[in-house]
Amino acid sequence: AQSVTQPDIHITVSEGASLELRCNYSYGATPYLFWYVQSPGQGLQLLLKYFSGDTLVQGIKGFEAEFKRSQSSFNLRKPSVHWSDAAEYFCAVGTSGYSTLTFGKGTMLLVSP
Amino acid sequence: DAGVIQSPRHEVTEMGQEVTLRCKPISGHNSLFWYRQTMMRGLELLIYFNNNVPIDDSGMPEDRFSAKMPNASFSTLKIQPSEPRDSAVYFCASSPSRLAGDTGELFFGEGSRLTVL
Repeated sequence: AQSVTQPDIHITVSEGASLELRCNYSYGATPYLFWYVQSPGQGLQLLLKYFSGDTLVQGIKGFEAEFKRSQSSFNLRKPSVHWSDAAEYFCAVGTSGYSTLTFGKGTMLLVSP
Repeated sequence: DAGVIQSPRHEVTEMGQEVTLRCKPISGHNSLFWYRQTMMRGLELLIYFNNNVPIDDSGMPEDRFSAKMPNASFSTLKIQPSEPRDSAVYFCASSPSRLAGDTGELFFGEGSRLTVL
């Protein structure tokens, strides 16, 4: 079965600074990888996804993620964080022919002035 | 287009009471998922329907939990009797594809926050 690890429970970043959120997955074949964002009191919204092809994926709100098969990683990045990016971020993995996504436990992003 | 609609948004009840959570998926989506979110366990899949048929209910914690999808536009998650450890946020999500991994996108509702005293 697949699994996802997000090693950082909380991260604090200054507004305007760059951001990288880590995600490692475990799966024997090529996974489908996703990042979701959850604002307080809201549901999850898809930021970006990777299925195949270019390993650098662009998403909404200026986010990008890079799939690195050798490291089993799919880290989320943003060059300049805005206060409105403060939220919880979830990495998820799905597989071809499998009907559900497995989510990591999330990383809470705090943005300081 | 309306998103996934869940009700109630907040529910406070006493131990032993029956709780019913409701979900209206996005029109045209044929897959529906119930997730539970807690601080300790994160997001857990409870049950998944495809074309109104339960496909995988292995995540349903115990017999106190039941879910139904009588038609393509409505699903319920029922807890009877409720216990304090059931306190969590329950999310409903829908997907246009039977294979969520193919499209990648689950569309989530805003959740129902349940507190059992």
